[in-house]
Amino acid sequence: DIQMTQSPSSLSASVGDRVTITCRASQNIERYLNWYQQKPGKAPKSLIFAASSLQSGVPLRFSASGSGTDFTLTISSLQREDFAIYYCQQSRTSPYTFGQGTTLEI
Amino acid sequence: QVQLVESGGDLVQPGRSLRLSCGASGFTFGSYGMHWVRQAPGKGLEWVARIGHNGDKQLYGESVRGRFSISRDNSKNTLYLQMNSLRAEDTGVYYCARVISEYGDYEYFDYWGQGTLVTVSS
Repeated sequence: DIQMTQSPSSLSASVGDRVTITCRASQNIERYLNWYQQKPGKAPKSLIFAASSLQSGVPLRFSASGSGTDFTLTISSLQREDFAIYYCQQSRTSPYTFGQGTTLEI
Repeated sequence: QVQLVESGGDLVQPGRSLRLSCGASGFTFGSYGMHWVRQAPGKGLEWVARIGHNGDKQLYGESVRGRFSISRDNSKNTLYLQMNSLRAEDTGVYYCARVISEYGDYEYFDYWGQGTLVTVSS
């Protein structure tokens, strides 16, 4: 199975900060990497697919890059509504594993 | 608009069975593959199973393979997850999710249901 490892596991930041979350795959997944945001008590929400493509409706302050085994999600200027848990997920092959999550908190 | 509504979650004893349902509306259900993803209390997301748009291509996570079965009824716009031989570690919120492909074969979950809680305990 492909293991997905996110870092950091948690991150403290302030409104207006620029933050970057990293996701590493245990083997080459090309660009089959997605990012999701989850708020407490809610279902996950799609942010990024195919490593760097922004889902429709997602603010432009979110961006992502990477290929192969190393990927990043960047939020250019944090807004209050961005404090949540972020997950990466590989869709290269079954099982479609998720990272353990990164909690972004104030 | 696209809606996915899970149901069937309950408190059940270890070793027993449970069937979850996911009702879909707002899109042509039979044109999309579907997945189940679960989340244990206070933990991260775990992929459970997938099914192709016409009921083929069933795949399972290692922790549920041989115990869980995914199916669908396109005439009823409903996805199912039959869960047998339940264990305490199956406890969690179960989400159904629609999968979409972009640029050929880049798949991701574009819509999720609100989840249904399964608790396995004696």
